Amino acid sequence: DIQMTQSPSSLSASVGDRVTITCRASQGIRNDLGWYQQKPGKAPKRLIYAASSLQSGVPSRFSGSGSGTEFTLTISSLQPEDFATYYCLQHNSSPPWTFGQGTKVEIK
Amino acid sequence: EVQLVESGGGLVKPGGSLRLSCAASGFTFSTYSMNWVRQAPGKGLEWVSSISSSSNDRYYADSLKGRFTISRDNAKNTLFLQMNSLRAEDTAVYYCARTDCSAGNCYGFDYWGQGTLVTVSS
Repeated sequence: DIQMTQSPSSLSASVGDRVTITCRASQGIRNDLGWYQQKPGKAPKRLIYAASSLQSGVPSRFSGSGSGTEFTLTISSLQPEDFATYYCLQHNSSPPWTFGQGTKVEIK
Repeated sequence: EVQLVESGGGLVKPGGSLRLSCAASGFTFSTYSMNWVRQAPGKGLEWVSSISSSSNDRYYADSLKGRFTISRDNAKNTLFLQMNSLRAEDTAVYYCARTDCSAGNCYGFDYWGQGTLVTVSS
């Protein structure tokens, strides 16, 4: 099974900061990766699909990059509504599919 | 508007059973693969199970060890998860989610329900 290692597990940042979150796959997954945002008590929301494609309606300050085993989610200028937990999800080939452990973005 | 509404959660004793449902609307349910994802209290997301549009292919997380069964009724636009031999570690919010596929490529889960809480405790 493919393992996803997400880092950091948490970070503190200020409004306006640039934030980067990384996911590493235990084997190559092409670009079969998405990024999800989850706020407390809510369902996850997809931000990025196919590693770098922005979900419709998601602000352009969110971007994704990478292919193969290394992937990055970047928030170019953190906004108050972006404080949440972020997960990557690999969906390469057939299941099992795996999420990263999550990154909690907190206010500094 | 796509909607996924889970139901069937609740409190159950260890060793007990529960059947979750996910009612789908706003899209052609019979043409989409569907999934269950869970989240234990204060923990991360865990993929649980997937089923193809025709029910021909079903997949499960290894951790379930054959205790859960995914199914669907395309005539009723409903996804199910039968959970047997429940354990305390199955306590979680269970989400149903739609697989986003087009032109032969799939892109993860595009729509999620609001979740239903399953608590396994004596």
